[in-house]
Amino acid sequence: QLQLQESGPGLVKPSETLSLTCTVSGGSISRSSYFWAWIRQPPGRGLEWIGSVYYSGTTSYNPSLKSRVTISVDTPKDQFSLKLSSVSAADTAVYYCARGACSGGSCVSFLKPHWFDPWGQGTLVTVSS
Amino acid sequence: DIQMTQSPSSLSASVGDRVTITCQASQDISNYLNWYQQKPGKAPKLLIYDASNLETGVPSRFSGSGSGTDFTFTISSLQPEDIATYFCQQYDNLITFGQGTRLEIK
Repeated sequence: QLQLQESGPGLVKPSETLSLTCTVSGGSISRSSYFWAWIRQPPGRGLEWIGSVYYSGTTSYNPSLKSRVTISVDTPKDQFSLKLSSVSAADTAVYYCARGACSGGSCVSFLKPHWFDPWGQGTLVTVSS
Repeated sequence: DIQMTQSPSSLSASVGDRVTITCQASQDISNYLNWYQQKPGKAPKLLIYDASNLETGVPSRFSGSGSGTDFTFTISSLQPEDIATYFCQQYDNLITFGQGTRLEIK
């Protein structure tokens, strides 16, 4: 059974870079059918897609965050990572990693995932001095 | 960006009730619409993909319908374990989520 687990600092200072890693177990990240994604949820609010990466390294980002986001993949370690620069209090949220799947069973022909399943348990990142 | 408007934002229903949640897209998204369940303190779980397809392992009391701009999510007979917040998500243009519907037991 595929499982995802987020890790990284729970507290980041304003203007610094938030860095998180997602470790995938129970399956290989290099399987070509899926994207690997980051999604966040500010406390008490809705969900926001941050971006996704394919095992080849191809990325797609939410335009609202694109200038500050880098998502990368480390296939030998079955990990993918998120870096969000110049953070502010508005970036305080629970950050989830998730597998992104596509209609038809394979994502090889698409630029972004269609839905997300499964998800990691999430990690709260607070931006505060 | 495509805006997804869910209604109601919260609702209270009794065990055994039929529950319906709607999601309206700001433009035509065909059937590119998914539904998730998020229990308190937990990650979201995919229930329905492509508007009406039940994810493997999800109870058949959950269903989805619609296309274009108007979509419906239904629980045919509410169970106590269905207490959660439900989100819709479109992927026609980028990826955006609805604001969520909090479901409580009356």
